[in-house]
Amino acid sequence: AQTVTQSQPEMSVQEAETVTLSCTYDTSESDYYLFWYKQPPSRQMILVIRQEAYKQQNATENRFSVNFQKAAKSFSLKISDSQLGDAAMYFCAYNAGNNRKLIWGLGTSLAVNP
Amino acid sequence: KAGVTQTPRYLIKTRGQQVTLSCSPISGHRSVSWYQQTPGQGLQFLFEYFSETQRNKGNFPGRFSGRQFSNSRSEMNVSTLELGDSALYLCASSLNSNLMNTEAFFGQGTRLTVV
Repeated sequence: AQTVTQSQPEMSVQEAETVTLSCTYDTSESDYYLFWYKQPPSRQMILVIRQEAYKQQNATENRFSVNFQKAAKSFSLKISDSQLGDAAMYFCAYNAGNNRKLIWGLGTSLAVNP
Repeated sequence: KAGVTQTPRYLIKTRGQQVTLSCSPISGHRSVSWYQQTPGQGLQFLFEYFSETQRNKGNFPGRFSGRQFSNSRSEMNVSTLELGDSALYLCASSLNSNLMNTEAFFGQGTRLTVV
């Protein structure tokens, strides 16, 4: 069965510092996508970054980058220069195949301290 | 352009009742997916509709159903409500049915409370 595990229910970081959120997954597929979504108190899920499994280069989006280790089935999110607006729940998600069935981790609540 | 709109935002129902939630996708998007979010189970996939056809279904009982109209708007219905159905129901829309090629945009959800 495909599963996504986020081992850190809560994390905190000082403003302007760097924080890394962990995610591991289990799959037998060779081609798949991985995502990090952010859910602020407004509840709207926002895509932060995505990684295609067949691409070895780690994805980056401004202050957000991932460390994708395919063999280890690890997909961590690094947030650099953390800002107060980064405070939110962060979800790691997985998708394989021609469908929209995202498999989600339980999330990491990130607090940013001024 | 307008984002994904879910109505109502909040809903309180009694056990045994039924409820209908609505999702209007971004204009031009033909795929609509539904997720249930609870603190204990996280986000669970309910179903996905594309061009008025259900393409995928999650592991939920038959009390959960949905449909999509010709304008891509989607509704989900839950009959014979149980306390455990209390959750945030999220809708996501995308241009086509292949998530790996296109981004899914989420609405703000409907918070359903069953008492």
